[in-house]
Amino acid sequence: EAGVTQFPSHSVIEKGQTVTLRCDPISGHDNLYWYRRVMGKEIKFLLHFVKESKQDESGMPNNRFLAERTGGTYSTLKVQPAELEDSGVYFCASSQDRVRRNEQFFGPGTRLTVL
Amino acid sequence: AQSVTQPDIHITVSEGASLELRCNYSYGATPYLFWYVQSPGQGLQLLLKYFSGDTLVQGIKGFEAEFKRSQSSFNLRKPSVHWSDAAEYFCAVGDILTGGGNKLTFGTGTQLKVEL
Repeated sequence: EAGVTQFPSHSVIEKGQTVTLRCDPISGHDNLYWYRRVMGKEIKFLLHFVKESKQDESGMPNNRFLAERTGGTYSTLKVQPAELEDSGVYFCASSQDRVRRNEQFFGPGTRLTVL
Repeated sequence: AQSVTQPDIHITVSEGASLELRCNYSYGATPYLFWYVQSPGQGLQLLLKYFSGDTLVQGIKGFEAEFKRSQSSFNLRKPSVHWSDAAEYFCAVGDILTGGGNKLTFGTGTQLKVEL
């Protein structure tokens, strides 16, 4: 069974540009999460999808971030326009359902560098 | 609001020595607790989890953790460290109170270095 995959693994962009990160969860997992780790700090929750619906987006830093999950499969996280403080590693995770109690499977992350 | 503290940013141990990584949490109810490990270039891998029951939890790769409610701690231990254990370790608590999802709150991580 394939794990959670993320694309790209690295992205370097200029301030003001747009970047789109993609996450493919484990097949059959209804729950999809985005997290971010800024250099030297803790991994922080951004948002949670259940299928195609946003269940909790309380961690989204501002309206420059837009997450979508069309069709309840893969998800994208767009940053537009990117700022220097957006640099960090963006992780995606998925879980099967609530009965499984938070057993989230993480992808390798996308390292975003904004210059 | 829940929080997780990992007081040790870096730890160095010799191969074969025992290991204990500290984790303290703050949470308003019985917590769901996790330890994840991230090796270079890899994603976060779940080592073990505590939901309820026996407070000593066994995980993969020979790791174990003990939940101590009185101390709000969930320390990770391994009796004999291998060079391949060098990685970054994250403690996390799961939020189930709000019903809004199962988001995890992480500590800042502990970087483990193993000396041969």
